[in-house]
Amino acid sequence: NAGVTQTPKFQVLKTGQSMTLQCAQDMNHNSMYWYRQDPGMGLRLIYYSASEGTTDKGEVPNGYNVSRLNKREFSLRLESAAPSQTSVYFCASSRTQSYGYTFGSGTRLTVV
Amino acid sequence: DAKTTQPNSMESNEEEPVHLPCNHSTISGTDYIHWYRQLPSQGPEYVIHGLTSNVNNRMASLAIAEDRKSSTLILHRATLRDAAVYYCILRDVGRDDKIIFGKGTRLHILP
Repeated sequence: NAGVTQTPKFQVLKTGQSMTLQCAQDMNHNSMYWYRQDPGMGLRLIYYSASEGTTDKGEVPNGYNVSRLNKREFSLRLESAAPSQTSVYFCASSRTQSYGYTFGSGTRLTVV
Repeated sequence: DAKTTQPNSMESNEEEPVHLPCNHSTISGTDYIHWYRQLPSQGPEYVIHGLTSNVNNRMASLAIAEDRKSSTLILHRATLRDAAVYYCILRDVGRDDKIIFGKGTRLHILP
């Protein structure tokens, strides 16, 4: 049982480049989430999807777009990367509100 | 969103019980109390959650005050591997399906 899989694990981008972070879960969870964690800081919610076909903004959505491709996959896109987006990005999923979250192992992104 | 308050850091000796407190005085009737932990250089890991009654699992116990305004995560016998940041979070099953992380408590285990 793989849980939540994030790709890539590491990425270096130049300012202005675009990229998509991929996330997939194999637990048939309804809800999926994207968080970022800056060095020495807590996690901040970027976007979430409560169910297939819906997405909503979190605390820090500016500069990002998301796509809930199907029930398994939830991608995060940076259209024009900026150094302020250097962070570790975590994807998570959950069955319903009364269950816990399962997190992926993260994508470490550096924008130079 | 209802907020939680946790101490910034705590220390405990190895092989002793650890009690991590969390205050949530504005908790609503539909808020579940969740605990997660984050080991160094890893993603957060679910620990336990509950609504009103105390809960036990293989990792920890959760003691919830009768008025639900506070809770305590109990690690029965701390090991060095339990050194992590512990987050107490409220999750409202009646509203938006999201959880917001606070700063958590950094737990240091002394050998």
